[in-house]
Formats: sequence, C-alpha cells, structure tokens
Amino acid sequence: DADVTQTPRNRITKTGKRIMLECSQTKGHDRMYWYRQDPGLGLRLIYYSFDVKDINKGEISDGYSVSRQAQAKFSLSLESAIPNQTALYFCATRPRQGNTGELFFGEGSRLTVL
Amino acid sequence: GDSVTQMEGPVTLSEEAFLTINCTYTATGYPSLFWYVQYPGEGLQLLLKATKADDKGSNKGFEATYRKETTSFHLEKGSVQVSDSAVYFCALSGGGGAQKLVFGQGTRLTINP
Repeated sequence: DADVTQTPRNRITKTGKRIMLECSQTKGHDRMYWYRQDPGLGLRLIYYSFDVKDINKGEISDGYSVSRQAQAKFSLSLESAIPNQTALYFCATRPRQGNTGELFFGEGSRLTVL
Repeated sequence: GDSVTQMEGPVTLSEEAFLTINCTYTATGYPSLFWYVQYPGEGLQLLLKATKADDKGSNKGFEATYRKETTSFHLEKGSVQVSDSAVYFCALSGGGGAQKLVFGQGTRLTINP
C-alpha cells in the first residue's frame, strides 16, 4: 500500500459543486502539502500544514480551503468548483527534522470541472 | 521570490542517446536542489538531490551537479532507455520556516526504441 494515499483518484464534477479531495499518510510525517499541477506550469503550492493547528496559504490558495483533521489526514476542498480548477492535485508529506527538503508524494487526484 | 526555470519540452531522443535537461534557479541563500521524476499515471518521486555547492547527485545513471556560480543544476544521463520516458521536474527548497519546494515547469522526455 502507498504511504501517501489520495482519494478520489479521478473525479468529474460540474461548476458550482463542492468537492473534497482527501489525503492520508502512514509515514508519521508532521508536514503536509497540497500542490496543483497544470501542463507547462509545473507544480504550484496551494496550502501547507506543519501540524493540526498550523495551516498556511501557498501561492494559489484562492478558491480552496483545507482541513487537517489529524496528523495523518489533510483534506483539500473546493467550495464552489469552476472550470479553471481542472487540474491534477498532489498531496505530499515530509518530516519535521532530519530531511533536506525531500517531499513524498501521493499518486495524484485528477479533477475535471465541467 | 525563489524560482526555477527548466528547458522547455517536449524532448524526444533515441535509445542510447545522451540526455541533458537544463535547469537554472533564482534563490536567496543556499537552497537544496532536486530532480523529481513522474512516470505516466504516477506521482512524483525523488530522482536525485544536492544540498550544497559542487555536490553531485546521482541515481539510476542520472547525474546533476550543483553549480552556484552559474545557479544551475542540469540533469544528464549518458545513455537513455525507453523506460526513462517520463516528466522531469527541477525543484529547490529554500531556507526559512516554510520549507516548501518550488518547482520548474517540467520537461516531458520521450525515448524511442
């Protein structure tokens, strides 16, 4: 089983719908991240969390919200989805210490907003 | 702010060809540098890394050297295989409390037999 698990892996929805993407990890890492991948733009950071009580905005947080329900779970929500939020979304983790910056990624959630 | 620029793709090569994917960066301080690879239908996985100037990261026949004087971290492989077909991302991890990775735009590599 994957250490960083994302659900759903694929989702098609309509404009205006609320969508939640979930991420859970078994690596015991404190830090969790949500990135968005668009062709030609690489990965851009949406939100990140250092622990359950510490949530921070990334470079493209508008239109998104997150919830860190437990150390192992970090959910991304789109309250009212719009077509330009169609993208591949990645959750990632890293430990607090003993790490030179490497992130550990889930397999991605592909979201299509019609 | 910190940024990473990669050579634009897509790149198509024949098997056993020499590969170079250019990466340059802008950062304050002394970032760590990474190459990640994304195989079709999968998430990103770390390919190699370097944490200080003149360090060379290597893995699976790929190499990259941290060049502070040219702010570069070019990826090379002497003889590519079809199984190397993937998207490659250069990234940096700057200093400060955020400890987040900044990625380049990715380079799609296709190797033909």
